[in-house]
Amino acid sequence: DAGITQSPRHKVTETGTPVTLRCHQTENHRYMYWYRQDPGHGLRLIHYSYGVKDTDKGEVSDGYSVSRSKTEDFLLTLESATSSQTSVYFCAISVGSRGRETQYFGPGTRLLVL
Amino acid sequence: DQQVKQNSPSLSVQEGRISILNCDYTNSMFDYFLWYKKYPAEGPTFLISISSIKDKNEDGRFTVFLNKSAKHLSLHIVPSQPGDSAVYFCAASARGGSEKLVFGKGTKLTVNP
Repeated sequence: DAGITQSPRHKVTETGTPVTLRCHQTENHRYMYWYRQDPGHGLRLIHYSYGVKDTDKGEVSDGYSVSRSKTEDFLLTLESATSSQTSVYFCAISVGSRGRETQYFGPGTRLLVL
Repeated sequence: DQQVKQNSPSLSVQEGRISILNCDYTNSMFDYFLWYKKYPAEGPTFLISISSIKDKNEDGRFTVFLNKSAKHLSLHIVPSQPGDSAVYFCAASARGGSEKLVFGKGTKLTVNP
């Protein structure tokens, strides 16, 4: 248990509405990540953060934004949700030296966009 | 362009036998590899890792083998147990790679009693 919580755990929303998912960690890890998991695609990186207010894009960042105003919280926002963003979202933190890191994942948020 | 490939979407084995999950990579800069296990409705959990300076790493029933010349790694589970039934993801990173992991698409392992 890496002290990672995600909220909400489940959410149903309608197309066009904004949605914010929260990831909270209790151990002051510098790096945090947002992934989505879809059948046939595995885990794909959306955005990541390497410190407060320091974020960068992953491979599937279109339609998503992130913010990190405190070390412990990393927020993922869908500005205007679309059905293609129906997915399971995982937050992760990274432990270890550069290039030797191990990522630990939260329990996930299941999002359904109608 | 998939840099980490798990070509078998699924694998079924009998309890007590060996499970072998395979992973291939294309990026020669990758030098650290990890396996994760994922149960339904849970987050992925770290299983075992291996650095490119080794060709084998063992942890209990789990052993990872790395063949750098073939850009291939495999996870062996011996003996397999029904509780091992899960999706297994292979991941890779490169030193200096911005702390990012690249994941394969996963292999669903079913261990039959």
